[in-house]
Amino acid sequence: DTAVSQTPKYLVTQMGNDKSIKCEQNLGHDTMYWYKQDSKKFLKIMFSYNNKELIINETVPNRFSPKSPDKAHLNLHINSLELGDSAVYFCASSRRSGGVSTDTQYFGPGTRLTVL
Amino acid sequence: KQEVTQIPAALSVPEGENLVLNCSFTDSAIYNLQWFRQDPGKGLTSLLLIQSSQREQTSGRLNASLDKSSGRSTLYIAASQPGDSATYLCAVSIYNQGGKLIFGQGTELSVKP
Repeated sequence: DTAVSQTPKYLVTQMGNDKSIKCEQNLGHDTMYWYKQDSKKFLKIMFSYNNKELIINETVPNRFSPKSPDKAHLNLHINSLELGDSAVYFCASSRRSGGVSTDTQYFGPGTRLTVL
Repeated sequence: KQEVTQIPAALSVPEGENLVLNCSFTDSAIYNLQWFRQDPGKGLTSLLLIQSSQREQTSGRLNASLDKSSGRSTLYIAASQPGDSATYLCAVSIYNQGGKLIFGQGTELSVKP
């Protein structure tokens, strides 16, 4: 019954490795997002996809590559992990109407990434 | 550039007290404003969403108001309970920016029994 789910919940890895985080929503939404929450708990948008099309790409290193195989899934692949990538990554989804997000965004439980 | 500020950063109150959390934003051209709750180690739970054309929204003991012209929103919690202890986040959605939310730093609320 989980609306927005993410896997894994925890991810501990060495610097330089490549890792992926998966996100799935069963709400029938057409827009999905990735947010990063840093050590000071500040949340910032990274990417947004609408109907599998990238619509938001904030100033994020190109080591981060989102992929949306379909409207219900948005994965995040990170190459050459660095210490500064340690954070909690949240996936979210919403319904978009008239080209603008008008509805509540629903968040997943987060993936805590620790880079050693 | 839109900036969202929440005051206070932390608040501790005795159970039963009514309280107000504040959120301010620098650019009044918002599409909507959302209040979220985050429990330690958990994701965000949406509490209330106010469209830019609305003045307030209510859900149970929660009431959120929006004054777009002054760039302010408040979240009023009536008869606070220990279960209300969490971090409360305010976020605004901007026109023509794909629905991205810009968050405040949050207010960490502790309700003492």
